[in-house]
Amino acid sequence: GESVGLHLPTLSVQEGDNSIINCAYSNSASDYFIWYKQESGKGPQFIIDIRSNMDKRQGQRVTVLLNKTVKHLSLQIAATQPGDSAVYFCAENIEGAQKLVFGQGTRLTINP
Amino acid sequence: GAVVSQHPSWVICKSGTSVKIECRSLDFQATTMFWYRQFPKQSLMLMATSNEGSKATYEQGVEKDKFLINHASLTLSTLTVTSAHPEDSSFYICSLWSRAPPRSWGYTFGSGTRLTVV
Repeated sequence: GESVGLHLPTLSVQEGDNSIINCAYSNSASDYFIWYKQESGKGPQFIIDIRSNMDKRQGQRVTVLLNKTVKHLSLQIAATQPGDSAVYFCAENIEGAQKLVFGQGTRLTINP
Repeated sequence: GAVVSQHPSWVICKSGTSVKIECRSLDFQATTMFWYRQFPKQSLMLMATSNEGSKATYEQGVEKDKFLINHASLTLSTLTVTSAHPEDSSFYICSLWSRAPPRSWGYTFGSGTRLTVV
């Protein structure tokens, strides 16, 4: 749903470990979801997307899971690397609307 | 992939002046353009949506007379922050969306503009 200006939660993992970043969305009419990575001072970078007719989608080292029953989205990053350190946002698109609404975001830190 | 050019990447202006930010699509025609604002350690907040040739639609709480959006062509959108004040200091990001091939159903983001009002 709409972010209301909350400060970012953080997640720290050891390099090489897997990480899971979670996102709750509020609008049951949302039918398209995207995960973005944002590095400091830069715009969001597309990671992976999923439509509401799917519950899982895999990319290179990343997997997105969608649970429409509880309106929950997760991003799994396998074998994390230092370059994965960034802020990760989920975004939802409501069916029939053009705009993309961003979730709260999570700061991921990879420890060497 | 699609390329969006946003500039300036950063700007410092005096309180009371206006600042224009440009967002340009380099390799596709953008049907719709979005403008977001992001305060430190916060998420992206949608400010407005504009379709080429029509007036922008502003989100609740965003002053349309203060944040002027022009979407005169399918490749260029501008955001002008008028009579800027220190509280307008933020990171502004544009996003382009196109239904037309080769980029159907996709959002592409600019690199952002850091605005500091002193």
